[in-house]
Amino acid sequence: QVQLQESGPGLVKPSGTLSLSCAVSGGSISSTSWWSWVRQPPGKGLEWIGEISHSGSTSYNPSLKSRVTISADKSKNQFSLRLTSVTAADTAVYFCARAVGGSIDYWGQGTLVTVSS
Amino acid sequence: QPVVTQSSSASASLGSSVKLTCTLSSGHSTYIIAWHQQQPGKAPRYLMKVEGSGSYNKGSGVPDRFSGSSSGSDRYLTISNLQFEDEADYYCETWDSTTRVFGGGTKLTVL
Repeated sequence: QVQLQESGPGLVKPSGTLSLSCAVSGGSISSTSWWSWVRQPPGKGLEWIGEISHSGSTSYNPSLKSRVTISADKSKNQFSLRLTSVTAADTAVYFCARAVGGSIDYWGQGTLVTVSS
Repeated sequence: QPVVTQSSSASASLGSSVKLTCTLSSGHSTYIIAWHQQQPGKAPRYLMKVEGSGSYNKGSGVPDRFSGSSSGSDRYLTISNLQFEDEADYYCETWDSTTRVFGGGTKLTVL
């Protein structure tokens, strides 16, 4: 069974950079999958941020594309999110997830990131 | 890119059945969607994929009470014999070669 675990700072200053990692166990990020980031502002719905494929191809939400980078480290079996120039609107629970055969089928537990000075 | 639309809320009585709807945007009526359940304070959980043909493929451990179906641009999630633990937000998801989108979610209340 695939397990995903997010990690990173819970507090980021406005205009700073949000950086999160997702450690994958029970499966390899080199397998035929897409590895995604999704966020959920407090009390709101899910928003797809972007994803990286097993081969390193990336896709990003057009509304965030100018600020987002997703990368993978196969040696550590993990993938990462970098979001620059953050504001209070980026405060959310950030989830990492795996997509196979199109849809997401496994989710991490999520980590709350607050943007505040 | 595709858009999926959901009603914001639904309610049904304990032990009854409820059918939630996810509607695909014009030009995307053949798309496959997935349903996810998010109980309060928890991460989402994958429930199933539903195809335009009406066939569905459930995730591991999803109870038999959960089923999927389809009609035109609409994809459905039916929950039978509702339990209190089914009270949750339900999201539909779809995707294409460059993007992934979620519906706004339906908040299900079990009365």
